[in-house]
Amino acid sequence: QVQLQESGPGLVKPSQTLSLTCTVSGGSISSDNYYWSWIRQPAGKGLEWIGRIHTSGTTYYKSSLKSRVTISIDTSKNQFSLKVSSVTAADTAVYYCASFTTSGTYFRPEDYWGRGTLVTVSS
Amino acid sequence: DVVVTQSPDSLAVSLGERATINCKSSQSVLYSANNKYNLAWYQQKPGQPPKLLIYWASTRESGVPDRFIGSGSETDFTLTISSLQAEDVAVYYCQQYYSAPRAFGQGTKVEI
Repeated sequence: QVQLQESGPGLVKPSQTLSLTCTVSGGSISSDNYYWSWIRQPAGKGLEWIGRIHTSGTTYYKSSLKSRVTISIDTSKNQFSLKVSSVTAADTAVYYCASFTTSGTYFRPEDYWGRGTLVTVSS
Repeated sequence: DVVVTQSPDSLAVSLGERATINCKSSQSVLYSANNKYNLAWYQQKPGQPPKLLIYWASTRESGVPDRFIGSGSETDFTLTISSLQAEDVAVYYCQQYYSAPRAFGQGTKVEI
C-alpha cells in the first residue's frame, strides 16, 4: 500500500517561493500506472486541485495557478515536489500530496493521501 | 475546465435519518472508454485528509459501509447516507476526474 509524506518549510515570506516534497513509500514512483497530485486546502475552506505529474514527466496544472506552479519528480529519491512562486497570503493552506492510478484505459480518483502540511505565508 | 457545484453547503440530519447531497458538473463526465461516470465522493473529518468513499459515481471503495450510496448520471449526481450515524459527521466533497484539471465541489458539511 502506497504511503505519502509531505515535508517542507511551514513558513514562507510573501513574494518568495513555496517548496514542498512528497516522499513515497510502499511503491515505486516510477510505476507507469501511477500519477502523483498536489491538492491544497485553506483553513476552513474547500479542496483545491493544484496539479499532477506522471513518471514520464508529463504534468497538468490548474489553469489559474499554471503561471506560478511547477511539479517535478525525482525517481532516484522516490519523491515528487511542488513549487509555487510569488506567494501571497492567499497561498496559506494545508498542502496534501496524493496519488491515483490508471489502467491505461481509465483513471481512478486520488485514493492515497498524505496527512498534509500547513504552509503559512507571512512576513 | 469541468467545474462541479455542490448543494447544500450544510445540512443537519437526525441520527438514523437520511442525508442527501447533490453535485452538478458543468458538462457530462461520462468516460466513453469504460462507459463510467468519472465522479467521486470523499469524506473529510477535522484534521484528517479526505477519504475516498465512492468512485465511478456509484461504486463504493473497499470497506465503505453500504449506507453510503452514490447515484446519478450525465451532469447530476447524489450522495445519500441512508441512515446517518454519529461517525458520519464530516464534510463531503464531490470530485470530477473526467478531465484535467480535476476539480472538487465546495463541500457540504453534515451535522446532527
